[in-house]
Amino acid sequence: GQQLNQSPQSMFIQEGEDVSMNCTSSSIFNTWLWYKQDPGEGPVLLIALYKAGELTSNGRLTAQFGITRKDSFLNISASIPSDVGIYFCAGPYNNNDMRFGAGTRLTVKP
Amino acid sequence: KAGVTQTPRYLIKTRGQQVTLSCSPISGHRSVSWYQQTPGQGLQFLFEYFSETQRNKGNFPGRFSGRQFSNSRSEMNVSTLELGDSALYLCASSLEDSTGELFFGEGSRLTVL
Repeated sequence: GQQLNQSPQSMFIQEGEDVSMNCTSSSIFNTWLWYKQDPGEGPVLLIALYKAGELTSNGRLTAQFGITRKDSFLNISASIPSDVGIYFCAGPYNNNDMRFGAGTRLTVKP
Repeated sequence: KAGVTQTPRYLIKTRGQQVTLSCSPISGHRSVSWYQQTPGQGLQFLFEYFSETQRNKGNFPGRFSGRQFSNSRSEMNVSTLELGDSALYLCASSLEDSTGELFFGEGSRLTVL
């Protein structure tokens, strides 16, 4: 099936630093979604992007829908300890099922 | 507004047994989809139900099945359990379809011994 290639796999950063992660695909997606999953919990939607080129912010989070519709990135500014978790990109494939990236595991050191 | 509720949260089964997991979607949400999450394969789509009908299905064997009731609550069943079925099973609800904004439950963690 269609894969979403998410990078990096993991990041270890200091509190206060900015973070950037991205997701690419060989196919076009009409929607890009970013989720965060805390240990023992289900993923929680952070940002939804519906238009190529769209740049959307949610607090310290900013995400962009790539102009080619084959990529998206998520930035977190001024990271804090509660940003720790796994971040997933996702997009609907063939309008049937949601495909997820493998996730970026973020560790924030105080 | 109550979130997506999944039961049970944890369960242990042995090979060959079967298991039924339950999901109550957010009130008003008509689409319920199920995902399997494992460290090796990540989040994989199992199937989606809408108005008591399976609308989409992922690439899983027939041992994995589900249903949806008239109140939108859903169950999934795995028969003849295998060790590789050990995973976190996540249910997600959405208003109309499984390709938009999904709201996930906390999951049911299944361990097969």
